[in-house]
Amino acid sequence: GAGVSQSPSNKVTEKGKDVELRCDPISGHTALYWYRQSLGQGLEFLIYFQGNSAPDKSGLPSDRFSAERTGGSVSTLTIQRTQQEDSAVYLCASSPSPSGAETQYFGPGTRLLVL
Amino acid sequence: KQEVTQIPAALSVPEGENLVLNCSFTDSAIYNLQWFRQDPGKGLTSLLLIQSSQREQTSGRLNASLDKSSGRSTLYIAASQPGDSATYLCAVRPGDYKLSFGAGTTVTVRA
Repeated sequence: GAGVSQSPSNKVTEKGKDVELRCDPISGHTALYWYRQSLGQGLEFLIYFQGNSAPDKSGLPSDRFSAERTGGSVSTLTIQRTQQEDSAVYLCASSPSPSGAETQYFGPGTRLLVL
Repeated sequence: KQEVTQIPAALSVPEGENLVLNCSFTDSAIYNLQWFRQDPGKGLTSLLLIQSSQREQTSGRLNASLDKSSGRSTLYIAASQPGDSATYLCAVRPGDYKLSFGAGTTVTVRA
């Protein structure tokens, strides 16, 4: 079946512009995660959605970052007034449920470059 | 805060040699540990998931061990092939759902 898909695959933007990154999780997966992978650093957790529950936004680095998940499926990560330090690979993952037995399935990522 | 360390950062071996990748974590109160593979420009592919109650998992040429009390996991790849060249990431899951990742080990297998 189809895996997690993300769009765009690459995004180049100018400092100060807003960007939207999209994630389509695997059908039927209730849990959705966003991570960021910066050059030379490990992956860091950004935000987590589970069903209709309030999202866990504890990993968002600043109030310029926001995310939503419509209809319990597609998610959009928005970065306002982008800065050069926002340049990174943004990875989305989904899992059937948040239980510990389930692995997280990752998408290919969106490579964001802020000039 | 959980800290995950992977050693070595990079590894280059001739084809056929066995690979040993190490992962250590500071907080032993984990739910599970996963090993992922990441190819250049690609996302992550889960290789093995070890629950906290398990000591090892095996899949084909891959074997991962977990010693929770000492905060260590080792990924063994037998009879390496050039197709095994990639970055291998270790991730631990504490009581909640947030994975804590190591920085990865970049493996090159020379033909």
